Amino acid sequence: DAGVIQSPRHEVTEMGQEVTLRCKPISGHNSLFWYRQTMMRGLELLIYFNNNVPIDDSGMPEDRFSAKMPNASFSTLKIQPSEPRDSAVYFCASSTGQGAGDEQFFGPGTRLTVL
Amino acid sequence: AQSVSQHNHHVILSEAASLELGCNYSYGGTVNLFWYVQYPGQHLQLLLKYFSGDPLVKGIKGFEAEFIKSKFSFNLRKPSVQWSDTAEYFCAVKMDFQKLVFGTGTRLLVSP
Repeated sequence: DAGVIQSPRHEVTEMGQEVTLRCKPISGHNSLFWYRQTMMRGLELLIYFNNNVPIDDSGMPEDRFSAKMPNASFSTLKIQPSEPRDSAVYFCASSTGQGAGDEQFFGPGTRLTVL
Repeated sequence: AQSVSQHNHHVILSEAASLELGCNYSYGGTVNLFWYVQYPGQHLQLLLKYFSGDPLVKGIKGFEAEFIKSKFSFNLRKPSVQWSDTAEYFCAVKMDFQKLVFGTGTRLLVSP
């Protein structure tokens, strides 16, 4: 299995531009998670889906952020408009969603820089 | 509020030294516990996990962790570290089978 796939790996954009991050979970996994990692705040859960349905989006910082999961093999995280404080590494993770001890598998991350 | 604390933000050790990284959580209900490792420039990988049974859990690369319920702790240990263990280590807790809450991480630097 190829693991969790994220694209792009690096994104540099200017303030005010729209940014779309993409994630393909591991085939057969039912849960998908979006995290943001910064030096100041560490690893934060933004939103997670179970069977393509958003379960908890309480970590989404504000209305500029939105996430979708149109099918079991694809999810997007969109920031519009982007701001310099959104600069971070964004990780996607997936899990089987079955059992309390199921492991989350992380993708390689997207390093976002907003100038 | 539910939280996970890793009190050591930076740890520097020489090769062959013993390692113990602290992890405490604040929650009185059922928990499942994880340690993840992030090597420089890479994504998070699972080191070990606890969800039931023997509170002493053994993971990959010689790591182990002990769940002490009375202390709300899940400390990570390794008897002899190697240079290749240089990484950032994250404790994570799943509380009542809900989403994972991560600690702020501990950066370990092992000098050869």
